[in-house]
Amino acid sequence: NAGVMQNPRHLVRRRGQEARLRCSPMKGHSHVYWYRQLPEEGLKFMVYLQKENIIDESGMPKERFSAEFPKEGPSILRIQQVVRGDSAAYFCASSPPGRGYHQPQHFGDGTRLSIL
Amino acid sequence: EDQVTQSPEALRLQEGESSSLNCSYTVSGLRGLFWYRQDPGKGPEFLFTLYSAGEEKEKERLKATLTKKESFLHITAPKPEDSATYLCAVQATGNQFYFGTGTSLTVIP
Repeated sequence: NAGVMQNPRHLVRRRGQEARLRCSPMKGHSHVYWYRQLPEEGLKFMVYLQKENIIDESGMPKERFSAEFPKEGPSILRIQQVVRGDSAAYFCASSPPGRGYHQPQHFGDGTRLSIL
Repeated sequence: EDQVTQSPEALRLQEGESSSLNCSYTVSGLRGLFWYRQDPGKGPEFLFTLYSAGEEKEKERLKATLTKKESFLHITAPKPEDSATYLCAVQATGNQFYFGTGTSLTVIP
């Protein structure tokens, strides 16, 4: 299965700790997107990346959140000094190169982050 | 402000009872409208992309249509395995994807 792989599936952190969420895009895909989903709410766009570049981070909170997509390895969403309000499901999606914004995005099964 | 609204929030159908889900949108410059299916504990699964008014796409018991203001997902003779949350997303010229909150569909045998 060459789908979008996210890990871990579940992550528990205490307030003040750091959370690192990883995403490996589908084979051949070079665009990565991160979304956050809260209960009873829709998916909210956070950031759009290509290899070694952040293209659009307009949905990212200004503090504590960062994302990267290095030349080698998975994309990482990093949340520093987590707070209870960070508890959510975080989804990664990828799309093929070319007109990235015109291609459907294919999603992983998400990371459920719980903050104690 | 760009917005996507899906209705109804929840829908219960008897097996074989056809119906439609609605996705209305207000965005500046639609680039594409996307339908997804999401099962509990899973990520959204891509179903269709529609780019222009009048376009239609079909896949098994599902058919998606698009007008200038809304899209419909028609479900013909649904089966219990069609039970899921159906999500609509629009892509605007601002490059963002905006998702609706979904319609939770339950098909009763």
